[in-house]
Amino acid sequence: EPEVTQTPSHQVTQMGQEVILRCVPISNHLYFYWYRQILGQKVEFLVSFYNNEISEKSEIFDDQFSVERPDGSNFTLKIRSTKLEDSAMYFCASSEGTGRAYGYTFGSGTRLTVV
Amino acid sequence: AQTVTQSQPEMSVQEAETVTLSCTYDTSESDYYLFWYKQPPSRQMILVIRQEAYKQQNATENRFSVNFQKAAKSFSLKISDSQLGDAAMYFCAYRKAMEYGNKLVFGAGTILRVKS
Repeated sequence: EPEVTQTPSHQVTQMGQEVILRCVPISNHLYFYWYRQILGQKVEFLVSFYNNEISEKSEIFDDQFSVERPDGSNFTLKIRSTKLEDSAMYFCASSEGTGRAYGYTFGSGTRLTVV
Repeated sequence: AQTVTQSQPEMSVQEAETVTLSCTYDTSESDYYLFWYKQPPSRQMILVIRQEAYKQQNATENRFSVNFQKAAKSFSLKISDSQLGDAAMYFCAYRKAMEYGNKLVFGAGTILRVKS
């Protein structure tokens, strides 16, 4: 069964450093998403991406965050200057479309720890 | 804005018995999808079951079934014949239908513990 692949599985970074989280969505999927889950809390939407541009973003997704699809297979989330409160599990997801038949597939997540 | 509420932070069930997890949501939309996701200790998000709001029939997937009450905006998950592997965090989620780049809105989750 096709999978969404995320790397790395765990990243530790110093506060103020830039991090890039990587995702390889399912190859025929068109919509891509990033979600965040702070430990013990709910899963929160960050951003959706379609046709090489952001289609929706949440209040969490401020100027410190950016997304990119650099080569047609990878989908990345960059945090420019990490803060302690950015420590969380970050999930990438993709879907083939947005109509009735289309569901999401989530990756297994990247645990980001900011120290 | 749409909201999803899971009022049970934690539930316990004896192995082989049945448990029901509650979920309510708030929306002004008439067409939408509802989901239950399972998150085991590995933290992966696994789709358990999906319900389309325009369908009156409740969705079922093997031991998992839902009770979808559209007027009451309620979407509970019933797990029959509970197994140790069902122990996990369960999230209820909502998504608008037929919308560009539509996001999932999650509830706060319910931890399910299964006792042997």
